[in-house]
Amino acid sequence: AQTVTQSQPEMSVQEAETVTLSCTYDTSESDYYLFWYKQPPSRQMILVIRQEAYKQQNATENRFSVNFQKAAKSFSLKISDSQLGDAAMYFCAYRTGSGTYKYIFGTGTRLKVLA
Amino acid sequence: DVKVTQSSRYLVKRTGEKVFLECVQDMDHENMFWYRQDPGLGLRLIYFSYDVKMKEKGDIPEGYSVSREKKERFSLILESASTNQTSMYLCASSRGDRMNTEAFFGQGTRLTVV
Repeated sequence: AQTVTQSQPEMSVQEAETVTLSCTYDTSESDYYLFWYKQPPSRQMILVIRQEAYKQQNATENRFSVNFQKAAKSFSLKISDSQLGDAAMYFCAYRTGSGTYKYIFGTGTRLKVLA
Repeated sequence: DVKVTQSSRYLVKRTGEKVFLECVQDMDHENMFWYRQDPGLGLRLIYFSYDVKMKEKGDIPEGYSVSREKKERFSLILESASTNQTSMYLCASSRGDRMNTEAFFGQGTRLTVV
């Protein structure tokens, strides 16, 4: 069975600085997708970024980028130029590339942004 | 604008009551999911459905059942609510094909069982 581990329950970053959130996963599959979701205080889960396992290039979305290390089964999220609106829970998630497409989530990292 | 709508944002129920949590999506998605979110435990899958009338147990199905009679609607049922089912419940939906990978979420229902 696949698992997703987020070892940082809470992180803090100064406004305008850079922060990296860690995620590791375990799978025996070669075809899968990885995601970072953001959950602000409004509770609405929002997709931040996704990575296809078959792509070697790290995904980037504006200030958000990932460091995808397939062999190490690591998938970290880097937030550059942090803003107050980045404060939220961040969840790392895994989805298989075949069969029934259910999503497996980590335990989350609460990010605080300090003014 | 795509939407997943959960019927209640907050709900308070008594122990032993039968509770229905409703979720509707307007994206014609094949897959629908119910997750439970607790501090320190993240999102845990209760049940998911990949087609009308089709369902599969997730990691924590005990004490819950589901119903999917129409493609757009997925209901979570607590047959006899207990205090340990006090939690945040999130519904999600996604396409049933390999390439459309994003899951869309409802706004969550915070259920308190007293």
